[in-house]
Amino acid sequence: RKEVEQDPGPFNVPEGATVAFNCTYSNSASQSFFWYRQDCRKEPKLLMSVYSSGNEDGRFTAQLNRASQYISLLIRDSKLSDSATYLCVVNLNNDMRFGAGTRLTVKP
Amino acid sequence: GAVVSQHPSWVICKSGTSVKIECRSLDFQATTMFWYRQFPKQSLMLMATSNEGSKATYEQGVEKDKFLINHASLTLSTLTVTSAHPEDSSFYICSARGLGTGASPYNSPLHFGNGTRLTVT
Repeated sequence: RKEVEQDPGPFNVPEGATVAFNCTYSNSASQSFFWYRQDCRKEPKLLMSVYSSGNEDGRFTAQLNRASQYISLLIRDSKLSDSATYLCVVNLNNDMRFGAGTRLTVKP
Repeated sequence: GAVVSQHPSWVICKSGTSVKIECRSLDFQATTMFWYRQFPKQSLMLMATSNEGSKATYEQGVEKDKFLINHASLTLSTLTVTSAHPEDSSFYICSARGLGTGASPYNSPLHFGNGTRLTVT
């Protein structure tokens, strides 16, 4: 089993749609969690940290379920500019592990 | 926000030559930096973890004599691809994390350099 697993997609959604991604992790001792987005041929950029109580940043909502060992990202009112690959990152001590990413394409 | 600068952004070199890539944290101290490689349409692959003042820790399958990492200060790590070959052509990205907050030193996110696109001819 991979340490961090994501549905690779692709997710193709129309503008305005709501889309959700899940990411599972194998090590229950993992300490911190993040979502990054990566545009084609660019470096990953931090989208948001994921807190135990769940957190929201505008159209983006992240949640953590420690019991089931997954994190989620919800994007509401999708924009064309949301098209990217979304990476979940799980940290244990100083070891950051990336999921393979989920590809999202938002279409007009 | 935290800024990580990576240089050069792209490089083309001949087979057999060596290429050095620099990664600098501009506004924070990074005791640990990470080096990744990404092939087209594939996910990031961690190559090594670079610790200031000590030897880097390499991931399984990454040749430490080929990919030399030096982390001489809290703001600079370098990756040297020695005797480069066409199969080393890839997108190399560094990242660094600053100090954490609160009870955990590990709750700070990674900040990435803008990557180096290496083409070996």
